Amino acid sequence: AQSVTQPDIHITVSEGASLELRCNYSYGATPYLFWYVQSPGQGLQLLLKYFSGDTLVQGIKGFEAEFKRSQSSFNLRKPSVHWSDAAEYFCAVGEYSGAGSYQLTFGKGTKLSVIP
Amino acid sequence: GAGVSQSPRYKVAKRGQDVALRCDPISGHVSLFWYQQALGQGPEFLTYFQNEAQLDKSGLPSDRFFAERPEGSVSTLKIQRTQQEDSAVYLCASSLSNNSPLHFGNGTRLTVT
Repeated sequence: AQSVTQPDIHITVSEGASLELRCNYSYGATPYLFWYVQSPGQGLQLLLKYFSGDTLVQGIKGFEAEFKRSQSSFNLRKPSVHWSDAAEYFCAVGEYSGAGSYQLTFGKGTKLSVIP
Repeated sequence: GAGVSQSPRYKVAKRGQDVALRCDPISGHVSLFWYQQALGQGPEFLTYFQNEAQLDKSGLPSDRFFAERPEGSVSTLKIQRTQQEDSAVYLCASSLSNNSPLHFGNGTRLTVT
C-alpha cells in the first residue's frame, strides 16, 4: 500500500529565508504526487502536482517541488518565505483505484511558523 | 457558489446520536470525495462518488457511516450512533473529472461528547 512520510512535524523559519519541506513516499509504480496547504479552519488548497515529465514542478505562490525517484522524495521549496505562508502543508500520493478515480493518501503534515 | 460548501461548520453531538453532514460541490463537478481528518493527522479517504454512483466506499470505518449523493450534486455523510473516536474534521472535495484537481471545502468539525 502506498504511504507518505513527512519527517518534520513543525518548522520555524524567519521571513525572507528559504524553505524546504520534506516528503518521502512509498509506492510501487510512478506516483502522482501533490502538495496541499491548509490554513487554520480552512480546507486544503492545491499548491502543485506531479504526474509525469519534468521533475521540477512549479506551483502557485512561488512554490516549487522536485521529484527524485532515486530518493522516493518530493520536497517542497520556496526561496523566500512570506509571513502569509504560515500554515500546515500536506504531501500526498495518488493512486488510481479500480473505481476510476485517483485516491489520495496524505502525510501527517508539517506545520510552518514564520518569524517576522 | 464559487467553491465547495459544507454545513454545518461545527457540530457537537452526544455519544449515540446520529449526525448528517452536508456537502455542496462546485456546480458541474462529476467527482465527489469525503475525507476524515483527525486532530494532528492528514486527511484519510472515506468514499468517492461519480455523479450519483458511489464507486468506492472502502475508506468508511464502520457500517455506522453512510454517504449518499442521490441526484449527483449535493452529498450527505451520515454517521449513526456516534462514538468519541468519530470526532474529527470531515472534508468534502469535488473535481470536474477524474484527472482534475480536487477542490476542498472548509470542512465540518464534529465533536462527540
